[in-house]
Amino acid sequence: SQQGEEDPQALSIQEGENATMNCSYKTSINNLQWYRQNSGRGLVHLILIRSNEREKHSGRLRVTLDTSKKSSSLLITASRAADTASYFCATADSWGKLQFGAGTQVVVTP
Amino acid sequence: DVKVTQSSRYLVKRTGEKVFLECVQDMDHENMFWYRQDPGLGLRLIYFSYDVKMKEKGDIPEGYSVSREKKERFSLILESASTNQTSMYLCASRPTGQGVYEQYFGPGTRLTVT
Repeated sequence: SQQGEEDPQALSIQEGENATMNCSYKTSINNLQWYRQNSGRGLVHLILIRSNEREKHSGRLRVTLDTSKKSSSLLITASRAADTASYFCATADSWGKLQFGAGTQVVVTP
Repeated sequence: DVKVTQSSRYLVKRTGEKVFLECVQDMDHENMFWYRQDPGLGLRLIYFSYDVKMKEKGDIPEGYSVSREKKERFSLILESASTNQTSMYLCASRPTGQGVYEQYFGPGTRLTVT
């Protein structure tokens, strides 16, 4: 069963704009991770935020986590055409098993 | 860099055939995973292995089996392929360690069962 649910399912923006996507989950977690998948390829790990953290940055990525609301958001600032991909959130239990959401498809047009 | 490779990018098989999907990782990771990915459903865990000859069922193990005879190789077996197993199959690996949770994925195998 899916643990994470992303919103929106699809997002279309222009280069230079910011892209925000959200993830909600159902049960308690050890950490939450975001992955990117370029069309027809494997997933690439972007960033991990632990359950005791509220915000984390990595380059143009900013992730927030609100454990009281069981939700997370991923912000990509100053988007580029190369950011076109599907983005997945995944929650991890204490054993490291991941549960993925259905993903947000992001299209960045030049 | 960690490298996870999968034996085929695209595979077409007939209903009833036995299908082997191979995954190899070169970083001595203890944990390996098989997922299938379908539109609108994200990735779902089929099986995982935390050591050689060890395996655990994931969320959707029915119709699949796995084999892990060597640490670097994790095979997914479809005993009798069916059309509802047409999907993208992704393998991943992860080391064991305190606080280590990132998984490294292979490029995927797109399997079509006709």
